[in-house]
Amino acid sequence: GQSLEQPSEVTAVEGAIVQINCTYQTSGFYGLSWYQQHDGGAPTFLSYNALDGLEETGRFSSFLSRSDSYGYLLLQELQMKDSASYFCAVRGGGSARQLTFGSGTQLTVLP
Amino acid sequence: IAGITQAPTSQILAAGRRMTLRCTQDMRHNAMYWYRQDLGLGLRLIHYSNTAGTTGKGEVPDGYSVSRANTDDFPLTLASAVPSQTSVYFCASGTGLATGELFFGEGSRLTVL
Repeated sequence: GQSLEQPSEVTAVEGAIVQINCTYQTSGFYGLSWYQQHDGGAPTFLSYNALDGLEETGRFSSFLSRSDSYGYLLLQELQMKDSASYFCAVRGGGSARQLTFGSGTQLTVLP
Repeated sequence: IAGITQAPTSQILAAGRRMTLRCTQDMRHNAMYWYRQDLGLGLRLIHYSNTAGTTGKGEVPDGYSVSRANTDDFPLTLASAVPSQTSVYFCASGTGLATGELFFGEGSRLTVL
């Protein structure tokens, strides 16, 4: 099966930069996704890495190292509205169409 | 643009009762999924469907069944609800994950007493 590990909580101040790490174990790997979820809301897609390297989308960037089974989400110029849970999710294992999610990282942005 | 619609948004149910959570998408996505979310456990896949007419079991399928009669609808049925099925249920759809992107509904909060 697949397993993912990410920190349960991260706290940072407004304007700062924060990095949320994710390590994964999977038999067969297609890609790593990141999702954001505000309290009680639907998860929303942020980014996807299928190849090694950095993908940048505005204030958010995501990195993947397939050889290390590791990725991270980088949030720059933090804003209060970035307070949310962030999930990494791996596409792999027996079906390329399935996503397995980590337990999530609760990010709290302080003023 | 509706995207994915789930119903009901919230339900309290007596143990032993049958319950169907409805999910409809208007994006013509081939793949659909049901996840449950419990505190500290993230999102766990219950069942999935890669295309209309086919379904598969995810990580936690016991006690649940699904059907996919057409592209748009993917209902999740609890045949005889138990308290451990108290959770928030999310339906999602995607084109086939070439981009790793799923589109989620707003969730159905189910409480089994």
